Amino acid sequence: NAGVTQTPKFRILKIGQSMTLQCAQDMNHNYMYWYRQDPGMGLKLIYYSVGAGITDKGEVPNGYNVSRSTTEDFPLRLELAAPSQTSVYFCASSSTGNQPQHFGDGTRLSIL
Amino acid sequence: RKEVEQDPGPFNVPEGATVAFNCTYSNSASQSFFWYRQDCRKEPKLLMSVYSSGNEDGRFTAQLNRASQYISLLIRDSKLSDSATYLCVVINQAGTALIFGKGTTLSVSS
Repeated sequence: NAGVTQTPKFRILKIGQSMTLQCAQDMNHNYMYWYRQDPGMGLKLIYYSVGAGITDKGEVPNGYNVSRSTTEDFPLRLELAAPSQTSVYFCASSSTGNQPQHFGDGTRLSIL
Repeated sequence: RKEVEQDPGPFNVPEGATVAFNCTYSNSASQSFFWYRQDCRKEPKLLMSVYSSGNEDGRFTAQLNRASQYISLLIRDSKLSDSATYLCVVINQAGTALIFGKGTTLSVSS
């Protein structure tokens, strides 16, 4: 099993550009999450989803959008990239909300 | 009081040492607790769940104290490969409030 797969692994954007970070899981997990981790800091929850068609905001949702049209996929959209969004982005999934989360290996995003 | 607080690091210990980390949480309704390990520039990986009765996995022991609202992680006979950042995770009953601690960095030296 691939687990949680994130693409791309690295990306450099210019200010104002947009992009979508892809996340897919093959474990049939209902719950999926997006986090960002700034250097030397902890993980902050951006958005999460408890199932297809259902999404909700986390701690730091501003500047991001998500969708969950299928159980497998949970893309994260940046519409107008800003330098403050330079970070490492992790996607995770779990079978239920109180089970351990499985993480993808991250997308390192720099906005210049 | 922050929702989840961990011991400030870094912890620098020699090989073979025993080291303990604590993590306190503020929400008494929290139901699930985990310890994760994160290597530099890598994704967090589950180390172990924390059960009410305490649990052990090889050199690692996790404990939960609901009355005092903290969890702990004990590492015995530290190895060089244990060097990493250890994150505690606290989840509420609905599974909609997942809080990661900022992590405690452990450095094991020979």
